[in-house]
Amino acid sequence: KAGVTQTPRYLIKTRGQQVTLSCSPISGHRSVSWYQQTPGQGLQFLFEYFSETQRNKGNFPGRFSGRQFSNSRSEMNVSTLELGDSALYLCASSLEDLDTEAFFGQGTRLTVV
Amino acid sequence: DAKTTQPPSMDCAEGRAANLPCNHSTISGNEYVYWYRQIHSQGPQYIIHGLKNNETNEMASLIITEDRKSSTLILPHATLRDTAVYYCIVRVVHNAGKSTFGDGTTLTVKP
Repeated sequence: KAGVTQTPRYLIKTRGQQVTLSCSPISGHRSVSWYQQTPGQGLQFLFEYFSETQRNKGNFPGRFSGRQFSNSRSEMNVSTLELGDSALYLCASSLEDLDTEAFFGQGTRLTVV
Repeated sequence: DAKTTQPPSMDCAEGRAANLPCNHSTISGNEYVYWYRQIHSQGPQYIIHGLKNNETNEMASLIITEDRKSSTLILPHATLRDTAVYYCIVRVVHNAGKSTFGDGTTLTVKP
């Protein structure tokens, strides 16, 4: 079956702009999580959505937001971009079930200039 | 989620077993040990997980000590393609979407 698909793979934006990243989970998966990965901070949890509701949230400012659609696809948005937002943004999907693991996409590499 | 401690880096000769340790002394009774790896510039890949019994799959084996305070991931015959950052994560099983990743261990497999 198809894996987690993230689009676009690469993105360059300027400071102050906003950006929207997309994630299509594995078919049947209802949970979608977002992570930010930077060389200095490593992999950090942003938020998780399940059935169109935000279920968990990490310690990121309100400029970072997300949503999930009825087909489980998810988008995350970053407004008023800062240079420090340059990172690899990873999406992971998982079944809402016991004894499960998360499957990650290839990520979107965002560069803010 | 309980905190984990891993060595920052390890080397392994190609064809030999790679044994990656992880300490999780504050693990709770309902928390599982998960292992992921991340090859450069790709998303993390699930390897294996376990609660208290040793586990084995086609990729690796997971050995968890009886007190569950530490574990070892074993790659039985390491190849150059196993060079990656390996993350040990401890979390409750139903919270797959929210994982706390530490710094991991950078495993370098050498010819």
